[in-house]
Formats: sequence, C-alpha cells, structure tokens
Amino acid sequence: GQSLEQPSEVTAVEGAIVQINCTYQTSGFYGLSWYQQHDGGAPTFLSYNALDGLEETGRFSSFLSRSDSYGYLLLQELQMKDSASYFCAVRDVSGGGADGLTFGKGTHLIIQP
Amino acid sequence: ETGVTQTPRHLVMGMTNKKSLKCEQHLGHNAMYWYKQSAKKPLELMFVYSLEERVENNSVPSRFSPECPNSSHLFLHLHTLQPEDSALYLCASSQDWDSYEQYFGPGTRLTVT
Repeated sequence: GQSLEQPSEVTAVEGAIVQINCTYQTSGFYGLSWYQQHDGGAPTFLSYNALDGLEETGRFSSFLSRSDSYGYLLLQELQMKDSASYFCAVRDVSGGGADGLTFGKGTHLIIQP
Repeated sequence: ETGVTQTPRHLVMGMTNKKSLKCEQHLGHNAMYWYKQSAKKPLELMFVYSLEERVENNSVPSRFSPECPNSSHLFLHLHTLQPEDSALYLCASSQDWDSYEQYFGPGTRLTVT
C-alpha cells in the first residue's frame, strides 16, 4: 500500500518563502506529484518529480530524494492567492498495473499580510 | 467547453434514491478517474478507466456503479447511499493511464439525507 505524510497546516507571510514537506511509503514508486486546491475548487497540477533533485517552475519548485522517500514543495515570493491546500501524491500501482493517484491529506497554507 | 466538466455541481438525495453523476472531458485523454474527497481525509481513488475499460476498482461498495461509454464520458451511478457517502466527488482525466499529470473537474458536492 501507499501512505503519505505532510503537515496539516502551515502559516507564512506575504512575500516570504515556505516549504511544504512530504514523506511517503510506497510499494512501487514512479514519481511524486504536487497539486494545489483552492477552497471550493478542483485540484490543479503543479509539478512532478521522478528523479532526485529540484524542479523549478516559476515561483514554485519541487524537490525529491528517493533514497529518503522525501520531497518538498517550495513556494517563493508568496502572494495572497497562494492560500490554498497543497497535496503531494504518488502513483498507486495496483497488481494490474493501472494507476490512480494516492494523495496525502493536504497542507492548508495560510498567507498573512 | 474546455477541460473537464461535471454535472450536477450539487446534489442532495435520500438514501432510497437513484441518481447519476456525469463527467465529460474535452482534452482527448484516454484515461478517466473517479475520486472521493471527504472532510479531513485525503482524496480517495475509486475507479480508473483506460480506453473505456475499467482497470481499477479500489474496494468501492457496490452502491457506486461506474460507467464509461466512451473515452470522453464517465458516469457514476448512485443507489441506496448512506449519509457517510456525503462528500465531494471529483472526476479526473489524463492522457494515458500512466501519465503523471491528471486534470480534475470541479466536482459534485453530494449530500445524502
């Protein structure tokens, strides 16, 4: 089976940098994804790491260490619109090989002015 | 219409009712998914379809019955639900079943009374 752990809530100040951590346990690992979900909205894809290292996309970066079963999402130059829930997710490889995603419980990011 | 659409957006039903949720994707994707999102819990994968064939049923009770008539449409038929089934039901699609990026619809907020 799969399980992911991430903090339930993080608070940061507008303009600052925040890091949201995710640790995982999986029977088969294909990569770590990050999704953003605003209240009342649909999850939207942010990033994906299959290999160790840092992937940068604008203000958001994502890091993976497969040996540590650990990753993080880094948000820079925080804006009020970044207030949302952030989910890490791994592909859930069933015996049949078909994949959905297994999600963490999500981190609620609160941005203060 | 673009992306992934879901209807209805809100649904209230009694435990003896039968209703259906509809999902349509306009992205030319080959895989579609149903997820359940309850308060304080992570998104839970329910079903995976690849090229109209169900490839995963994640131990979902039989009162939930999926249908995928073609690669653009996905239904979730509901009957004799329980109050604990009240949740946000999200549909998603991806290019193929092993794609790491999934596109989510806005969800159907279901309340079972």
